[in-house]
Order: sequence, then structure tokens, then C-alpha cells
Amino acid sequence: AQSVTQPDIHITVSEGASLELRCNYSYGATPYLFWYVQSPGQGLQLLLKYFSGDTLVQGIKGFEAEFKRSQSSFNLRKPSVHWSDAAEYFCAVGNMEYGNKLVFGAGTILRVKS
Amino acid sequence: EPEVTQTPSHQVTQMGQEVILRCVPISNHLYFYWYRQILGQKVEFLVSFYNNEISEKSEIFDDQFSVERPDGSNFTLKIRSTKLEDSAMYFCASRRRRNLSGGADEQFFGPGTRLTVL
Repeated sequence: AQSVTQPDIHITVSEGASLELRCNYSYGATPYLFWYVQSPGQGLQLLLKYFSGDTLVQGIKGFEAEFKRSQSSFNLRKPSVHWSDAAEYFCAVGNMEYGNKLVFGAGTILRVKS
Repeated sequence: EPEVTQTPSHQVTQMGQEVILRCVPISNHLYFYWYRQILGQKVEFLVSFYNNEISEKSEIFDDQFSVERPDGSNFTLKIRSTKLEDSAMYFCASRRRRNLSGGADEQFFGPGTRLTVL
């Protein structure tokens, strides 16, 4: 069965510091991987996605993620965090088969201190 | 830019009442989904819908739940007799079948409806 693990429930970083949010997945076929961001009381906004090709993908707001098949990981990174990045981040895995449901991780809450 | 919309943004209901949550997917999309997120928990898949029928549903999606695309633009989730544990944020999502290159495409999420069952 598909599953996604985000081992860090909370992360606090200083504004301007680098950020890495971890995501590990379990999936039997070629995964399609996503990172979504959710601000309090808001919906889910897609940050970036990996379907195939270059394993380093660029997203919006200066985020990037690297797909490492050998480690079953898809970690999200940002070189310099801004206070407005404080939110909850969800990693998700899906496929292109019939239905294509997404399976989400539990989320990581990012706090940014000034 | 086209977006998925959901109404209402917040619904309060009494236990045992029926509720209908409404979604307007992006117009050229063909796959439709409902997810829910109980406060403080992860986003969970409920159901996917394609070609006017359910393509997959989770264990959560029991006989109390139903979905419908009544008029070619709206996509609704009905909970027949709400329970306290149905209190959650409900997200609608839609997706094109494939992009123009024949490749995969992502799901676009609406802003959610917060359902509170008293």
C-alpha cells in the first residue's frame, strides 16, 4: 500500500536560514510526488511536483525538491526562508492509474523566527 | 487562472442532519475528488469520480456518503446523516485526464468547506 512519512511534525528555523523538510514514501510503482503548502484556514497550494526526468525539480516561491529513488525520498528545500513561509507542508504520492488518488503525509509545521 | 471553487466555506449542522457540500471543478477537467482533513490530522482521500461514476473510494466513504455531478459543472458530496466525527475540512479537487503532451497532471484543490457537526 502507498504511504508517505514526514518524520518531522514541527520545524523551527530562523528567517534567512536554509530549510529541508523530509519526506519518505512507500510505493510499488513509479511514484508521482508532490509537495503542497497549507496556510492556516486555507486550502492546499501545489509547490512542486515530480513525474519523471530531472530528479531535481523547481517549484514556486523558491522551493526545490530532489527525488532519490534509492532512498525513497523526496525532500523539500529552500536556501533562505522568509517569514511568510510559515505554514504546514504536505508531501503526497500518487499515480496515473485509474482514479489517481493522492496519499498524503501527516504534514510538517514550519515556524519561522525572526 | 481557472480555479476550483467550493461552497459554502463553513457549514454548521446538527448531528443526524443531511449536508451537501458543493464544488465547481475547473471546466475542462475530467477527474474529480473529495478529500477530508480532520483538525490536526492528515488529508485523507474519500472518493474519486470519472465519467459519471465512482472510480475509487476509501473505507471512510461508507453508505452515508454519496457524490453526484448533477449538471455538468457542479460536483457534490452528500452526507446523509451527519455524525460528530464528520466534522472536518472537506476539499474538492479536479484533474485533467492528461496534459497536452500525454503526460501526467496534478490535482487542483479548492479552498475547502469546514463542516462542523454539533
